[in-house]
Amino acid sequence: DAKTTQPNSMESNEEEPVHLPCNHSTISGTDYIHWYRQLPSQGPEYVIHGLTSNVNNRMASLAIAEDRKSSTLILHRATLRDAAVYYCILRPFQGAQKLVFGQGTRLTINP
Amino acid sequence: DVKVTQSSRYLVKRTGEKVFLECVQDMDHENMFWYRQDPGLGLRLIYFSYDVKMKEKGDIPEGYSVSREKKERFSLILESASTNQTSMYLCASSPSLGVVSPLHFGNGTRLTVT
Repeated sequence: DAKTTQPNSMESNEEEPVHLPCNHSTISGTDYIHWYRQLPSQGPEYVIHGLTSNVNNRMASLAIAEDRKSSTLILHRATLRDAAVYYCILRPFQGAQKLVFGQGTRLTINP
Repeated sequence: DVKVTQSSRYLVKRTGEKVFLECVQDMDHENMFWYRQDPGLGLRLIYFSYDVKMKEKGDIPEGYSVSREKKERFSLILESASTNQTSMYLCASSPSLGVVSPLHFGNGTRLTVT
């Protein structure tokens, strides 16, 4: 299974943009990049996904490198409620049911 | 919004007991999953089900079994609980097994086996 590498922790200030990096140098051509987040005392929550092009939704933006070996989740204006562990996951086209969650990045937001 | 409900938030059981963890989803999803979450290990897939009475092993099925008699309900069974099964258990559902179909998670059951 292709793996992802994320920083263990990051810190940012409220109302500022946050860029969460993810490296996935062994990604295959049919792997989709998914992001989930887990708020304290809750289950993971889907954030966004993409294949090759950058993606936007109401929660965040996903920027994918041209070679697809890395991606960045962008929170445009962080709030205290965005403090969570963020997981970058590669989901293969075949066997997509087996999501593998790594360690994730613990994001702290300072008021 | 999809709601995935796990019957217990906290559970304490003794070694050797048979333990049932229950999960119910209200969105008529075909697929349901059981994960466990441990510090330093992330989430690991135990079992998943793609239809009533159908199941497949995930990455760590040893010591566990599952039951799906109705579409909305997926149960995880620890036949004889052991201390190494102390963990946070997370249930999830999704409308399809397709690669773009997101998983919807419950809030977890923290199981302690003493």
